[in-house]
Amino acid sequence: GENVEQHPSTLSVQEGDSAVIKCTYSDSASNYFPWYKQELGKGPQLIIDIRSNVGEKKDQRIAVTLNKTAKHFSLHITETQPEDSAVYFCAASSNTGNQFYFGTGTSLTVIP
Amino acid sequence: NAGVTQTPKFQVLKTGQSMTLQCAQDMNHEYMSWYRQDPGMGLRLIHYSVGAGITDQGEVPNGYNVSRSTTEDFPLRLLSAAPSQTSVYFCASSYGLGYYEQYFGPGTRLTVT
Repeated sequence: GENVEQHPSTLSVQEGDSAVIKCTYSDSASNYFPWYKQELGKGPQLIIDIRSNVGEKKDQRIAVTLNKTAKHFSLHITETQPEDSAVYFCAASSNTGNQFYFGTGTSLTVIP
Repeated sequence: NAGVTQTPKFQVLKTGQSMTLQCAQDMNHEYMSWYRQDPGMGLRLIHYSVGAGITDQGEVPNGYNVSRSTTEDFPLRLLSAAPSQTSVYFCASSYGLGYYEQYFGPGTRLTVT
């Protein structure tokens, strides 16, 4: 099956700085890569996603980039705010789209 | 819409006991799934369903059973709980396979002693 690795496991940034989280995947047939944000005591919530036919996608302060050749994708958060503090998970779909494989998570702390 | 609901929120079991974790969604989603979340391991898929009457195994199915008799409900059964099943369990649903957003429930924290 797919293997998704995520780095770093923890990340602290000053408010207003940028944060970058990186993931790699093993199955070249994976074609959909969502990112989830999980706040304490809650379920994960989708924040942005990217399909394999797109190299970059932006939504206000959040962007995701995908390098299919290298099999890695990254989450970029600009102008970080304290409410961005949470655990972020990357994921990759199986080639059939019926299963998702998650990274191990990054705990982001934005220091006011 | 209530979205995805899970009950109970917390549960403590003794080794060997059985229980059912409930999951329901009111979005008419065809695809539903169960994940477990353990520290340092992310979320791992236990079982999933692509529609009523259809279920399949995920990454870590051993020790768990599921059924899908209606579109709305997807219960997860532990027949004989083991300490290794101590975890936080999340149910999720989406409109279909592939590119559709998955909506997660609030989770059930299960402790097996």
